[in-house]
Amino acid sequence: IVLTQSPGTLSLSPGERATLSCRASQSVTSTYLAWYQQKPGQAPRLLIYGGSSRATGIPDRFSGSGSGTDFTLTISRLEPEDFAVYFCQQYNKSLTFGPGTKVDIK
Amino acid sequence: EVQLVESGGGSVQPGRSLRLSCVAPGFTFKDYAMHWVRQTPGKGLEWVSGISYRSANKGYADSVKGRFTVSRDNAKNSLYLEMNSLRVEDTAMYFCARPIRVGAIGAFDIWGQGTTVTVSS
Repeated sequence: IVLTQSPGTLSLSPGERATLSCRASQSVTSTYLAWYQQKPGQAPRLLIYGGSSRATGIPDRFSGSGSGTDFTLTISRLEPEDFAVYFCQQYNKSLTFGPGTKVDIK
Repeated sequence: EVQLVESGGGSVQPGRSLRLSCVAPGFTFKDYAMHWVRQTPGKGLEWVSGISYRSANKGYADSVKGRFTVSRDNAKNSLYLEMNSLRVEDTAMYFCARPIRVGAIGAFDIWGQGTTVTVSS
C-alpha cells in the first residue's frame, strides 16, 4: 500500500489550524493507521494510532480521523513546538510510511 | 526507563556486511514484536523488517529481501539485523522500534536513537 501525503509543506502561523492529508493507494482499516511527528535530529514520536487514538502524553489539540483511503491529522491550534515533519503509517498490509508533510512557520 | 539502544552502524564498501544490534532494557522485551525502520538523509521513513515476539514470523521490505536477516535473543533483550550484500542505497539511519502494545503490529511508540550506516566505495 502506497501512502501519499499532502501538502508537501504547510506554512502556517502559531495559533492557526493545520490539516494534513494522508491518502492510501487502497483501502486501509482505520484501526491500522498511525501518525508521527519528527523534529530534526530526533526519532519519530507517535501521535495517533488506530486512526484516532492519541498516544500517551499527546495534547488534545492533535486529532486523527478518516476511513478507507483518506485520513486526516488535525492540529487545532499550532503551538511553537508543533512545527515539524509529520508522517502517516499504515500497518494493515505490511507496513508503509507516507513521505511526510513539513509544517513550517509562515 | 523504557528505551531502545542501537549499535553496530558504520561505514562499509558496497558488497560488504554489517550487523546491527538493539538492546531493550526497561520493558518485557520477550512479549513484543520488534521492527527495524530506516531513514535516508533528508528523506522519509522506510520500514525494513519485523519479527514476532517468539521469532516465528519475520517480514522484510522488498528492497532488502534476501539480503537482510532479522533475529532476536529474548534472553538478552536484544534485536539484530544482519545486513549482507550492502548497496549504496542502503545508506541510512537505522532505528529499532517497538509497537505500542503487545500483539500490535505497527504504531511504534518506542524508538531508539538510531545508528548510521554508510555504504560507499
